[in-house]
Amino acid sequence: NAGVTQTPKFQVLKTGQSMTLQCAQDMNHEYMSWYRQDPGMGLRLIHYSVGAGITDQGEVPNGYNVSRSTTEDFPLRLLSAAPSQTSVYFCASSSTGTSEYEQYFGPGTRLTVT
Amino acid sequence: QKEVEQDPGPLSVPEGAIVSLNCTYSNSAFQYFMWYRQYSRKGPELLMYTYSSGNKEDGRFTAQVDKSSKYISLFIRDSQPSDSATYLCAIGGNNRLAFGKGNQVVVIP
Repeated sequence: NAGVTQTPKFQVLKTGQSMTLQCAQDMNHEYMSWYRQDPGMGLRLIHYSVGAGITDQGEVPNGYNVSRSTTEDFPLRLLSAAPSQTSVYFCASSSTGTSEYEQYFGPGTRLTVT
Repeated sequence: QKEVEQDPGPLSVPEGAIVSLNCTYSNSAFQYFMWYRQYSRKGPELLMYTYSSGNKEDGRFTAQVDKSSKYISLFIRDSQPSDSATYLCAIGGNNRLAFGKGNQVVVIP
């Protein structure tokens, strides 16, 4: 099993550009989520999904879109990048039910917006 | 008031010492309690998971939960240089996790 994979590992964008961060998992997990991690702020939930076709907002959803067309993939789209979106982004997945909070994290994408 | 409070101050200890970390939380609707370990430039990995008050041990690690005080702790016995990492507490409920800010722990050989 590859677990949770994220691409790219690093990305530099100019203000106003758009891009998609990719996330895939091969554990057949229903629950997937996106977090951003900033110094002094900890991990903050952006969006999450409890299954294909179902998504919901987390703590900091503005400026980001998600969709979940398959169980395996959960891409995160930045619509018009801003310097405030410079961060490390982590995707995570878990089973639902009693294992729901045992989340497996990907290696992260380091994004810089200039 | 934030859902999870974790004093993010760094902690340096000599090898073999006991490391003590703690968090408080505000929402009693959250019923699941986790500690994640994050090595530098890596994703967090689940270290301990419990849903009841009391202690849970796993090797050198002990997680402690006091629901009446809304207080969770992590103890690392006989700390090793390989324990040097950031430790994040997390509480779960309503389909999501809320994380503390993390404590950077350095174990000095």
